[in-house]
Amino acid sequence: NAGVTQTPKFQVLKTGQSMTLQCAQDMNHNSMYWYRQDPGMGLRLIYYSASEGTTDKGEVPNGYNVSRLNKREFSLRLESAAPSQTSVYFCASSDGTGGVPYEQYFGPGTRLTVT
Amino acid sequence: AQSVTQLGSHVSVSEGALVLLRCNYSSSVPPYLFWYVQYPNQGLQLLLKYTSAATLVKGINGFEAEFKKSETSFHLTKPSAHMSDAAEYFCAVSEARAGNNRKLIWGLGTSLAVNP
Repeated sequence: NAGVTQTPKFQVLKTGQSMTLQCAQDMNHNSMYWYRQDPGMGLRLIYYSASEGTTDKGEVPNGYNVSRLNKREFSLRLESAAPSQTSVYFCASSDGTGGVPYEQYFGPGTRLTVT
Repeated sequence: AQSVTQLGSHVSVSEGALVLLRCNYSSSVPPYLFWYVQYPNQGLQLLLKYTSAATLVKGINGFEAEFKKSETSFHLTKPSAHMSDAAEYFCAVSEARAGNNRKLIWGLGTSLAVNP
């Protein structure tokens, strides 16, 4: 049981390049989330998917797109990377059933640098 | 609007001393509250959660937190700090809305340093 996995662990991009961050969970969770973490700014929600087939914007969606490929996988795409997108990106999942906001389980993160 | 405030972005304690990390929240409905820990270069890990059962919640690694409705607080404590407790700690509250799949609203985090 691997929990939440993310690939790649590290990435360096040049301005204007594109890339997709991959996330998968093996806990049969319904909800999945993408966050970015920057010094002094805590965790900011980029996009989330409450269930398979649905996605919604979070606080900072500009410059990103997401795909909920199936129940297990939730990818984040940067179409044209900018230096402001240099950050650590975390994927998380939660069960989210039964009317109780279950805790979120986090992946190890992807450290992205855009030059 | 809901919010979480963590008082003190940096806290430093001596090994063996009491750890107290402060969290205050605002919520229009009874909240669900969480503390997470992030060790260097790792993801976040749940320490403990309050979901309207006992107001004193015990978590992993000797941490506990007390829900105080009158003070809208959920402070995290540990009687005796260990060097391995050095990490970033985040407080979070669930969205105040009906239904499933509520998002979490996060504090900015408190970095805990433990001095020998």
